[in-house]
Amino acid sequence: KAGVTQTPRYLIKTRGQQVTLSCSPISGHRSVSWYQQTPGQGLQFLFEYFSETQRNKGNFPGRFSGRQFSNSRSEMNVSTLELGDSALYLCASSLGAGNEQFFGPGTRLTVL
Amino acid sequence: TQLLEQSPQFLSIQEGENLTVYCNSSSVFSSLQWYRQEPGEGPVLLVTVVTGGEVKKLKRLTFQFGDARKDSSLHITAAQPGDTGLYLCAGAYSGGSNYKLTFGKGTLLTVNP
Repeated sequence: KAGVTQTPRYLIKTRGQQVTLSCSPISGHRSVSWYQQTPGQGLQFLFEYFSETQRNKGNFPGRFSGRQFSNSRSEMNVSTLELGDSALYLCASSLGAGNEQFFGPGTRLTVL
Repeated sequence: TQLLEQSPQFLSIQEGENLTVYCNSSSVFSSLQWYRQEPGEGPVLLVTVVTGGEVKKLKRLTFQFGDARKDSSLHITAAQPGDTGLYLCAGAYSGGSNYKLTFGKGTLLTVNP
């Protein structure tokens, strides 16, 4: 069974640009969660999607958005990038609330 | 906001030594999870503890959930270089479909041969 895949693995952008990250969950998983990981703040929850609906949202500004497609694949978008957005963005999929989350390898975003 | 404090933040030990990592909160969690993350990879779930006072063993790793479900510890016996990694605890709050994981900042463990 293939694991969670994230593309791209590495990304370099400049301030003010926007970026879209993609996540393909494990087959059969309908829940996808996104996290931001930085050395200073650790892993912070961004949002969770289930069956194309955003079910939970973390404490991030509106520049961070996401969506989920009918095949459960998910994308997250960050607009007007800031230096502080440099981080590892992790996606995790699960069968649903309370079930084990399986993480992808992450996308390393660097904002210059 | 539910916060999880992990200690120590960094730990460097020699192969064969024992160690304990702590995860503390002022909040009560419905369950608590421990993950290990290696460079270039996402976190991998090691264990989930649900009941206050619960102890779970995974080979040389022993996990304990506090009686009040606010704190947890991870004890590693006879550490090996393969145990090197970032250990993360995560508290789960569950209310219907409102399921959220709050992560600690992690303990970076280095086991030297």
